[in-house]
Formats: sequence, C-alpha cells, structure tokens
Amino acid sequence: KAGVTQTPRYLIKTRGQQVTLSCSPISGHRSVSWYQQTPGQGLQFLFEYFSETQRNKGNFPGRFSGRQFSNSRSEMNVSTLELGDSALYLCASTPLAGGSYEQYFGPGTRLTVT
Amino acid sequence: QQPVQSPQAVILREGEDAVINCSSSKALYSVHWYRQKHGEAPVFLMILLKGGEQKGHEKISASFNEKKQQSSLYLTASQLSYSGTYFCGTERETSGSRLTFGEGTQLTVNP
Repeated sequence: KAGVTQTPRYLIKTRGQQVTLSCSPISGHRSVSWYQQTPGQGLQFLFEYFSETQRNKGNFPGRFSGRQFSNSRSEMNVSTLELGDSALYLCASTPLAGGSYEQYFGPGTRLTVT
Repeated sequence: QQPVQSPQAVILREGEDAVINCSSSKALYSVHWYRQKHGEAPVFLMILLKGGEQKGHEKISASFNEKKQQSSLYLTASQLSYSGTYFCGTERETSGSRLTFGEGTQLTVNP
C-alpha cells in the first residue's frame, strides 16, 4: 500500500505570497490532519478533515485554511505569507476520525519564506 | 495545553534502557507515541487509550496512568536504530481527535 504523499516537498516563497500544499492519504483513509513543525514550537495541530468536513481546528490565524476533496485528498493554503510561516508542514491520515487510530505521516513539505 | 515530556534529551550506550515520560494537566482520552528521525516523517509507535487498551508494535512497551494523566515509554535493550526524537501526542476527552504534541525527547544511542 502506498504511503501518504505530499507535494511539493520543498518550496521557497516570498513574504506576502500565498501557497497551496497537497496531501494524498493512504488509500481507504478518510481522515487527514495537518501539522506545522518548527524547531521552536514543535509539532502543532492545524486542522483535521473527515469526509470533506473540517472536524477540528488548531490555534492558527485565518490565513491558514484547508479543504478535503471527495477522494480524501487534502490541500492547505496559507495566504499573505510571513517569515514565521517557514516550517515543515506534515499531513497525516487515519482510516476514520478519532484518536484511537494511529496516524500515518507523510514526508512533509518544507516551506521557506524569504 | 501542551503535554510535558521528560527528559528533554538522553544519551545511551547500545543495550541500555531508557524511560520517557509524558504528563498532562488535563484529562486524556488517548496518548500516542511517535519517533522521528532527522529529515524523516514521524513514525507511529504506540497508542494507549483510556480504559487500558493499547495498540502498537510488539517490541515497544508503554503505560498510561489515568489517575496521574501520565504516560511512560519504555525502551529496553536499546539499539542504534532507536536514535531519534520521541514525541507524545495527547488527545483530550473534549477535543475530538485533535492531538497536542509534546516538545519531544531526543534519544541518542551510541555503540
């Protein structure tokens, strides 16, 4: 079974631009969660989608948004990029929603904002 | 609220044991443990659920004290491959399936 894939793997953007990251979950998994990982803040939850609906949202500004498609693929968008948005963005999929399932993480997208 | 992990870092020689702790001030529904090697994605190790259910790899041992809201990960007879950063992720009873991760424990196993 193919794992979680994320595209692109690396991205360099300029402050003020916007960016869209993509995540394809493991086949059959319907829940996708997004995390931001930085050396100073660690792994921080952004949001979770299940069956095209946002189930949960972390404490991030409205510049961070996401969506999920009918095939469970998910995208996250960051508008008006700031230097502090530089981070590794990880997505993770689980078969269903809920904390009793192990999360399968993708390799991440390394975003650098200059 | 972020769980607190201890220690922040530990260095072992191959074959030695280690315990990593994860504490929360809030009532938890589940505790997850993941290991991340440098430049790689976190990999699942164990889930411990309120009520005693556990799911995880056979070679990994962990506990969840519901009274103290504390979980411990036991690494015995460590191997070089155990090196990495260990994260606990906690799910509160009222937060749905949102995981809040600790800052991580960096484990180094030397020959």
